Amino acid sequence: SQTIHQWPATLVQPVGSPLSLECTVEGTSNPNLYWYRQAAGRGLQLLFYSVGIGQISSEVPQNLSASRPQDRQFILSSKKLLLSDSGFYLCACYRRDKRETQYFGPGTRLLVL
Amino acid sequence: KNEVEQSPQNLTAQEGEFITINCSYSVGISALHWLQQHPGGGIVSLFMLSSGKKKHGRLIATINIQEKHSSLHITASHPRDSAVYICAVDSGNTPLVFGKGTRLSVIA
Repeated sequence: SQTIHQWPATLVQPVGSPLSLECTVEGTSNPNLYWYRQAAGRGLQLLFYSVGIGQISSEVPQNLSASRPQDRQFILSSKKLLLSDSGFYLCACYRRDKRETQYFGPGTRLLVL
Repeated sequence: KNEVEQSPQNLTAQEGEFITINCSYSVGISALHWLQQHPGGGIVSLFMLSSGKKKHGRLIATINIQEKHSSLHITASHPRDSAVYICAVDSGNTPLVFGKGTRLSVIA
C-alpha cells in the first residue's frame, strides 16, 4: 500500500513570507495527487489535483500554487502568505485505475501570524 | 456537481451504544468513501464501497445506490471512536466531493 510523507508537520510563518510544503508518495506509481486544506472548524476543501507530472488543476483561485516536478512529488507553494492561509494542509493519493481507496498524508498544520 | 449531505452534524453517545451516521448524495457515483479524522487532524480511510455492505471490526458501512444513500454504523461504541467521520463520493471523472463531517463524541 501507499505511504505518504508530508513535511513539515507544523509551521508558523509571518504574513507575507513564502511557503513551500512538500508531499512525497511511496509504494505506487502514476497516482493522482491532491492538496486539501481544512480551515479551523470547517470541512475539507480541495485546492489542487494532479493526474501526472506537470499537470495541475486548480479548484479555488487564491495566492497558492502547486507543482508536480516528479511522479511521486507534489509541492504546495505561496510567494506571500495571508492570514487566511492558516489551516491544516493534507496531501492525498488515489489510484483510480486500481479503484483503491484514497490515502491521506499526516498533514501540515500552518499558522500564519 | 455532486452535493453531499451528512447527518447528524454532531453526535454524543454513551459507551456501548450503537451509532449510525448517514450520508446522502445528489448525483450517481462510482464509489463512496468513509473517512475518519482524529482530533490531531490525521485522516484514515475506513471504507471504499460501490455497492452492498462492508464490515471491519465494529464498523459497518452500507450503500444503497438507487436511493443515493450510505450509512456508517459503529457497534458497541467506545471513547476511542470519538472523531470526525467524513463521507466522500467519487463520481468517476472529478475529484472526491466531501461532506462536512459528523463529529462523534463517545462518553465513558
